Amino acid sequence: DTGVSQNPRHKITKRGQNVTFRCDPISEHNRLYWYRQTLGQGPEFLTYFQNEAQLEKSRLLSDRFSAERPKGSFSTLEIQRTEQGDSAMYLCASSLGQGGEKLFFGSGTQLSVL
Amino acid sequence: RKEVEQDPGPFNVPEGATVAFNCTYSNSASQSFFWYRQDCRKEPKLLMSVYSSGNEDGRFTAQLNRASQYISLLIRDSKLSDSATYLCVVNIGGGYQKVTFGTGTKLQVIP
Repeated sequence: DTGVSQNPRHKITKRGQNVTFRCDPISEHNRLYWYRQTLGQGPEFLTYFQNEAQLEKSRLLSDRFSAERPKGSFSTLEIQRTEQGDSAMYLCASSLGQGGEKLFFGSGTQLSVL
Repeated sequence: RKEVEQDPGPFNVPEGATVAFNCTYSNSASQSFFWYRQDCRKEPKLLMSVYSSGNEDGRFTAQLNRASQYISLLIRDSKLSDSATYLCVVNIGGGYQKVTFGTGTKLQVIP
C-alpha cells in the first residue's frame, strides 16, 4: 500500500500521560500536514511541514503538542500531559507541494483520554 | 468570522434529486479551492478541485465566485452512495500553506 499510513489506529490513555503518533506519508510527497477532528466538525489545522522544516503551527496548538519530521520522511506528533479535551481523531495528510495542495489523508489515529 | 463557513445540514434529499451546497471564505487572497468527501468514520478524500471557470466531473459541478468569496458544489441525479459529508477546503497558497477545512455539509440521500 503506497498511501499515507498512520499508527496506531486507536490509542486509549489516562489523563496526564504522554502519547506519540506516527505518520508515514506517500514517499514522493514533500509536504505533510497534521489535523485534528472531533465529531461533527471539519478537520482543524494543527501544523505543516515542507520536507523537515515545520513552517506553520496553529495558534490553537498548546505547548503540550509537538511535531517533528526529522528526515523529511515520516513525522511524529507528541502530546504531553494529555487532557480529556485532547480526545479526537488525529489525521495526517501529505501532498506533492506543486501548487493546488491536493491532500491525501491517512486513516487517522483515534485518541481517547480517560 | 470563520475562515471557511458551510451550512452543516443535514440535507435530506430523495434519490434523483439535484442538491447544491455553498461555502464562503473570508480571506480574499485565497488561491485554491477544493471539495472533499468524508464518509462516516473515514478520512476525507478529494472529490474535485474548483477552478475559476467552473468545472464538471460527471454529475458533480463546482463553481467559484471570487467577487462574493464563495464556492459551490452541485450534485445532479443524487445516488444513495452520495450520502456523506462534503467538506469545503481553501488554501491561501504562496508561502503560506495553511489548508483550511470547513465544518462540512452532511448529505443524506433517501430511497
